[in-house]
Amino acid sequence: DAKTTQPPSMDCAEGRAANLPCNHSTISGNEYVYWYRQIHSQGPQYIIHGLKNNETNEMASLIITEDRKSSTLILPHATLRDTAVYYCIVRGQAAGNKLTFGGGTRVLVKP
Amino acid sequence: NAGVTQTPKFRILKIGQSMTLQCTQDMNHNYMYWYRQDPGMGLKLIYYSVGAGITDKGEVPNGYNVSRSTTEDFPLRLELAAPSQTSVYFCASSYLGRPDRPYEQYFGPGTRLTVT
Repeated sequence: DAKTTQPPSMDCAEGRAANLPCNHSTISGNEYVYWYRQIHSQGPQYIIHGLKNNETNEMASLIITEDRKSSTLILPHATLRDTAVYYCIVRGQAAGNKLTFGGGTRVLVKP
Repeated sequence: NAGVTQTPKFRILKIGQSMTLQCTQDMNHNYMYWYRQDPGMGLKLIYYSVGAGITDKGEVPNGYNVSRSTTEDFPLRLELAAPSQTSVYFCASSYLGRPDRPYEQYFGPGTRLTVT
């Protein structure tokens, strides 16, 4: 699976959009980009995933660049409950169904 | 559905003791996983299973054993506990048959283990 690079931490104001970047310059054509988050002491939670196109669901939006070498997770209106560690994961079918978690980005939403 | 449940929530072991961490899922998922998470770090895969009777090693399998006799249960066994196994252990499951969310994993609440 391709390796990902994320900033270790970032702050965000409550009610504002949070934009979380992820670099995955070695991604190959059949690899998906997944985002999970882990709220303190809990198990990780799926947020969103994408292959080429931008995606949106009830939790977030995922913007993938045209060359697919980077992506941005957008939390449109951050709340205090969005404070968590966010993991960007790239995986392909060769990994079976395994996920490789890196260090993630620790997001602190401030009032 | 209860989802993925893990027991116990907390456990303190002495060096050399053994224990089994229990994991059960009621979603009829074919894939199950065990991860460990050390303080301030990401999760590392210990073992995984693609179905009853089939298991395989992950990234950090040494010191652990697993079995999968049923679809629902995937226990993790520590035979000779060592301080290096102090960690939080998460069990997860997934179902490849959902085309809109392939490979999405559902995680349990974790077991916090201390070996002293």
